[in-house]
Amino acid sequence: QVQLQESGPGLLKPSQTLSLTCTVSGGSISSDVYYWSWIRQHPGKGLEWIGYIWHRGSTYFNPSLKSRVSISVDTSKNQFSLNLSSVTAADTAVYYCARVRQRDSSGYFSPLFDFWGQGTLVTVSS
Amino acid sequence: QSVLTQPASVSGSPGQSITISCTGTSSDVGGYNYVSWYQQHPGKAPKVLIYDVSKRPSGVSNRFSGSKSGNTASLSISGLQAEDEADYYCSSHTSSSTEVFGGGTKLTVL
Repeated sequence: QVQLQESGPGLLKPSQTLSLTCTVSGGSISSDVYYWSWIRQHPGKGLEWIGYIWHRGSTYFNPSLKSRVSISVDTSKNQFSLNLSSVTAADTAVYYCARVRQRDSSGYFSPLFDFWGQGTLVTVSS
Repeated sequence: QSVLTQPASVSGSPGQSITISCTGTSSDVGGYNYVSWYQQHPGKAPKVLIYDVSKRPSGVSNRFSGSKSGNTASLSISGLQAEDEADYYCSSHTSSSTEVFGGGTKLTVL
């Protein structure tokens, strides 16, 4: 069974850079079938897709966050990471990492977020 | 990209059926059959219920079903149970090769 676990600082000051890592176990991050994604959820609010990365480095981002976001992958550690620069209180949220299956067993494009981490709360406060 | 539009809340009694809508545009919901639905209980990570508009992953109850017409997708839950009380989110792939979620719907089982 695939498991994902987020890690990183839970408290940041405004203007700092948020850095989180997701460690994947029970499966290889180097599979061509999956993208690896970050999603966040503001307190009491809905889900917001941040972006995702393929193990070969291709990335896609939410246009509203694109100027501040980067996602990288370390295949040797089976990890992928999120950096969000110049944070403000509006970036306070639970951050989830998730696996995005891109293709079904027949090889057809079929995206879905099939495994999620438990989420980690990041608070931005002075 | 704009958040997909869902009703803020729906409710139903045990045993009844409910439907949750998810409205987007021709650049997401209407343009592709790549709508998925997620259930989230308080303090938990979301769980996928439906993908590709109407397909159920192994292990998901057949009380959950999905459909789409034009720019609007729908999730139906039949035979409501107390354990179905949760937040529900739709998601769609977009023409920009990105993903977008709906604003979420809180289901109350009366």
